Amino acid sequence: QSALTQPPSASGSPGQSVTISCTGTSSDVGGYNYVSWYQQHPGKAPKLMIYEVSKRPSGVPDRFSGSKSGNTASLTVSGLQAEDEADYYCSSYAGSNNLSVFGTGTKVTVL
Amino acid sequence: QLQLQESGPGLVKPSETLSLTCTVSGGSISSSSYYWGWIRQPPGKGLEWIGSIYYSGSTYYNPSLKSRVTISVDTSKNQFSLKLSSVTAADTAVYYCARQTRDGYNMHAFDIWGQGTMVTVSS
Repeated sequence: QSALTQPPSASGSPGQSVTISCTGTSSDVGGYNYVSWYQQHPGKAPKLMIYEVSKRPSGVPDRFSGSKSGNTASLTVSGLQAEDEADYYCSSYAGSNNLSVFGTGTKVTVL
Repeated sequence: QLQLQESGPGLVKPSETLSLTCTVSGGSISSSSYYWGWIRQPPGKGLEWIGSIYYSGSTYYNPSLKSRVTISVDTSKNQFSLKLSSVTAADTAVYYCARQTRDGYNMHAFDIWGQGTMVTVSS
């Protein structure tokens, strides 16, 4: 069970969009629609932003959207705002023995 | 609303056992809709799933930690606990407990998190 692969960093100016990828295998990301995304500000606990690939929990702005193609899931943040600067982690159900796996994390910088 | 709170020693000696408890308030741990999980984050590094438990006692562990991990549940106290044996400096991390949604058998997202507790392994 290996960590899902994310780019270490991504950036964009206020108002722009940024997309983060999360690459796994057919045993996790590609095999199930159980990908979730988390936002983590420094010193804080992670916060669920997207679940089941593209669903948003109540209270999460619609600027955050998720998608999946094959073994790669993506999180897009549109209309970047200063408060979106944070670390983002993906996670996926990894099947068979009922396992979960996280991504390596991406630091998003708002320029 | 539902809240989770981790508790336990902040310092553990190498080779000893790390023990943490997560207390659930504002809701019942005995819900059929959720697993209850432990996740850790070494300083400056990413998140790592340790394992999850169902209120009935069924457990699921990260294969890389399975030989050293035990997660248990006490429904009478609305708590679940983590024990990690034979710790080394590599186990130094912030440890989070979290509620994990489920659909039948399958694990879904971690939707509610505790604030986390820092555990340092040092003599």
